[in-house]
Amino acid sequence: AQSVTQPDIHITVSEGASLELRCNYSYGATPYLFWYVQSPGQGLQLLLKYFSGDTLVQGIKGFEAEFKRSQSSFNLRKPSVHWSDAAEYFCAVGLMNTGFQKLVFGTGTRLLVSP
Amino acid sequence: GAVVSQHPSWVICKSGTSVKIECRSLDFQATTMFWYRQFPKQSLMLMATSNEGSKATYEQGVEKDKFLINHASLTLSTLTVTSAHPEDSSFYICSARVFGGRGGLDNEQFFGPGTRLTVL
Repeated sequence: AQSVTQPDIHITVSEGASLELRCNYSYGATPYLFWYVQSPGQGLQLLLKYFSGDTLVQGIKGFEAEFKRSQSSFNLRKPSVHWSDAAEYFCAVGLMNTGFQKLVFGTGTRLLVSP
Repeated sequence: GAVVSQHPSWVICKSGTSVKIECRSLDFQATTMFWYRQFPKQSLMLMATSNEGSKATYEQGVEKDKFLINHASLTLSTLTVTSAHPEDSSFYICSARVFGGRGGLDNEQFFGPGTRLTVL
C-alpha cells in the first residue's frame, strides 16, 4: 500500500540556521510528490511539487526539495530559516491510478524556530 | 487566485444534531473536491472524493450515511455530519482541484482553511 513517512515528529531550528525535513514514500510507480505547510488553525499551502524532470525542485518561500528515487525520499530544505517558518509541514504522494487526484499524507513534522 | 473557502470556520453542536459544512472555490471551477479529516497532531485522512453532479466516492471505513456529501455545482460542495457524536469532533478540511489545467495548475489541489467541529 502507498504510504508516506515523516520520521521527525518535531524539529527545533535556530533562526538563520539551515533546515532539512525528511520524507520517505512507498509507492510502486513513479510518484507525484508534494510538500505542504499548515499554519495553526489554517488549511494547507503548497510549497512545491515534483512531477518529473529535474529532481531538485524550487518552491515558494525559499524552500527546495530533492527527489531521490534510489532512497525513495523527497526531503525538504531551506538554507536559512525565518521565525515565520514555524508551522506544520506535510509531505504527500499523489496516486497515479486516480489521475493524481488522491493524496496520501505523511503524519507531519512540526517546525519550531528558536531565536 | 485559486482560493478555497469553508464555512463555518468553527462550529459547536449538541450530540445527535446535524451539521453542514460548505466548501467553495471562489475564483475557479472545480470538477473535483475532496474532504479530509484531521485529528489533533495527526495527518489528513481523505474521507471522500466529490465530483460535480455525481455521487461522492468514499474511502474505506467512512460511513456514507453519516457523512453526506453534495457537490451541486462547480464551485460548491457540502459535507453534512448527520447525528453527530463527540467522536466526530475533528478538523474538517476540503480541497478543490482546478478544472482544465488553468495556468499549468492541473493536478494541484487547493485547500480550504478548515472547519473545527466540536460535538458536546
